[in-house]
Amino acid sequence: DARVTQTPRHKVTEMGQEVTMRCQPILGHNTVFWYRQTMMQGLELLAYFRNRAPLDDSGMPKDRFSAEMPDATLATLKIQPSEPRDSAVYFCASGPGQGLRDTQYFGPGTRLTVL
Amino acid sequence: AQTVTQSQPEMSVQEAETVTLSCTYDTSENNYYLFWYKQPPSRQMILVIRQEAYKQQNATENRFSVNFQKAAKSFSLKISDSQLGDTAMYFCAFMKNNDMRFGAGTRLTVKP
Repeated sequence: DARVTQTPRHKVTEMGQEVTMRCQPILGHNTVFWYRQTMMQGLELLAYFRNRAPLDDSGMPKDRFSAEMPDATLATLKIQPSEPRDSAVYFCASGPGQGLRDTQYFGPGTRLTVL
Repeated sequence: AQTVTQSQPEMSVQEAETVTLSCTYDTSENNYYLFWYKQPPSRQMILVIRQEAYKQQNATENRFSVNFQKAAKSFSLKISDSQLGDTAMYFCAFMKNNDMRFGAGTRLTVKP
């Protein structure tokens, strides 16, 4: 059964290191979302793409975060350099429709710990 | 693995009326948390209500309340006196040991 996959599931790294998180959306879905979940902020939308083009990344710190879709089967979220405050769970979701008003299927998340 | 199902992709309700969004989940755990999140057109996810599985009393937050049926693994959200600002996507979520699972969402439209 189709589902969104994310790798790695867990990542522990040291401050200053580069972190890359990957997401494979459900085949045929044309929207991809990145969320960050923290205890303090709850669930925040970082960025979303439609047809591989970034539609909105205003929720993402631009100085260290970048999100891309090299192809329709892969979305990446990169942090360089990472900081302890980036520790969170990062969720990817994909949807078959037009964006934020459509269904979103969430992946299991990547738990990032920056020491 | 835990799964969360929202069987209603879209719903609509007249302003001031009451609407119930359904959510079911599958788990073998006994202690866990359940959430409803709202995502309005402004994008950000807003926590609407939360329920601890060990509590029998249904959670309420102003016009929002849940019907938590643990044995049936059901967690529906009732919105009373619907307002235009309630128009949004609503996501049901399950959490155990910081592992969170989301439903696919229900798009709610409140009509004037």
